[in-house]
Amino acid sequence: TQLLEQSPQFLSIQEGENLTVYCNSSSVFSSLQWYRQEPGEGPVLLVTVVTGGEVKKLKRLTFQFGDARKDSSLHITAAQPGDTGLYLCAGAGSGGYNKLIFGAGTRLAVHP
Amino acid sequence: NAGVTQTPKFQVLKTGQSMTLQCAQDMNHNSMYWYRQDPGMGLRLIYYSASEGTTDKGEVPNGYNVSRLNKREFSLRLESAAPSQTSVYFCASNPRGQGGNIQYFGAGTRLSVL
Repeated sequence: TQLLEQSPQFLSIQEGENLTVYCNSSSVFSSLQWYRQEPGEGPVLLVTVVTGGEVKKLKRLTFQFGDARKDSSLHITAAQPGDTGLYLCAGAGSGGYNKLIFGAGTRLAVHP
Repeated sequence: NAGVTQTPKFQVLKTGQSMTLQCAQDMNHNSMYWYRQDPGMGLRLIYYSASEGTTDKGEVPNGYNVSRLNKREFSLRLESAAPSQTSVYFCASNPRGQGGNIQYFGAGTRLSVL
C-alpha cells in the first residue's frame, strides 16, 4: 500500500515568515501534485512535478520533487495571510487511471 | 463555467436512512472519482469510474455504491447510513485516464449521520 506522510500537520506563523512543508513516502511515484484547499471548497491544483529533482516556482511558492521520486517539499517565502489554507500532496499511484494517493494535509495559518 | 457540481451541499441523516449524492461535470472528462475527507486522514478514494460504463472500487468502498449514469454524471449511494459515514464527500473529474493529470474537484457535500 502506497502512503504519503505530510509534516507538519499544523503550522501557525506570522506574516513575512518562511516555511517548508514536507511530503514523504517509501514508495516511488510517477508524479506528485500539490493542492490547496480553502474552507468550504474542494482542493485546487497548485503544481505537478514529474521528474526526479525537478524544481518549480509559483510566485513565492517553490516545489521540489526528490531525486528518487519518493518525497517532495513546498517552501513558501514571506508568507502572507492569503496563503492560509490546507495544503495537500498527492502522488500518482501504480493503479493507473490517475488514482491519487493523498497525504493527510498541512493546515497553515498566517497571521497579520 | 460550472466545472464539477455536487448536490446537496449539506445533509443530515438518521442511522439506517439512504441517500444519493449527485455529481455532474461539464468539462467532457472521461474519469470521475468519489472521495471522503476526514480530519487528519486526507482524502480517501471510495470509487472511481475510468470511463463511461465502468466503475471500480477504491480504498474505502464498503457501505457505498456508485452509478456512472452517463459521461457527465457519477452518483454515490449510501444504502443504510451509519455514523461512521459522517464525513465530507468530494467528487472529482479528470480529462484522461492517464496517470499524473489534474483532478478537478467539486465543493463537497457535508454529511452528518446521527
